[in-house]
Amino acid sequence: IAGITQAPTSQILAAGRRMTLRCTQDMRHNAMYWYRQDLGLGLRLIHYSNTAGTTGKGEVPDGYSVSRANTDDFPLTLASAVPSQTSVYFCASSARGGLAGELFFGEGSRLTVL
Amino acid sequence: DQQVKQNSPSLSVQEGRISILNCDYTNSMFDYFLWYKKYPAEGPTFLISISSIKDKNEDGRFTVFLNKSAKHLSLHIVPSQPGDSAVYFCAAKGGLAGSSNTGKLIFGQGTTLQVKP
Repeated sequence: IAGITQAPTSQILAAGRRMTLRCTQDMRHNAMYWYRQDLGLGLRLIHYSNTAGTTGKGEVPDGYSVSRANTDDFPLTLASAVPSQTSVYFCASSARGGLAGELFFGEGSRLTVL
Repeated sequence: DQQVKQNSPSLSVQEGRISILNCDYTNSMFDYFLWYKKYPAEGPTFLISISSIKDKNEDGRFTVFLNKSAKHLSLHIVPSQPGDSAVYFCAAKGGLAGSSNTGKLIFGQGTTLQVKP
């Protein structure tokens, strides 16, 4: 079944450690996104990529980095995790030129930073 | 500053009745509005959208109304079913510089809908 795969689904991490959340899509969508979901704040955009080889900052980019070496993969890295990065992280993709704004989401990665 | 706001954290309705979820926004440059539905332990899924040039869009039991002068939109679910119980997110597109041709969305905080049998 086509879609977005995120890994890991859940992770507990010590503060200061490096962590990479993986995201792979098989829909050949050009654009990909990383959002974090926090209670009372909804989903907030961390980073995005309109096409392979390009990335951009969203609303809350600090402490995170991304890369887009190819169309399918869009990993999110926390270089030195802090407790405020405890959240549920969602990767999403969209087909540029498709239904305006419609995103397809993965099932999320729950990250706890202690 | 929250550009998209869902001021009701939760809503409870009886099966068969109407559910009305509300959303307010501040940026008049938004050109598309979307509703997403999210079940626990799953990612959000697209439900329905509306262009800023329209005031209503209907898809089966789901209708979205847009009032641009009030910067307000609402999602109506009629009739509500227990399977509609989920978190509903309102989202908007186009308010960020250079975002008009991308999928970058700004989301509200979400409203948890409970439909009682």
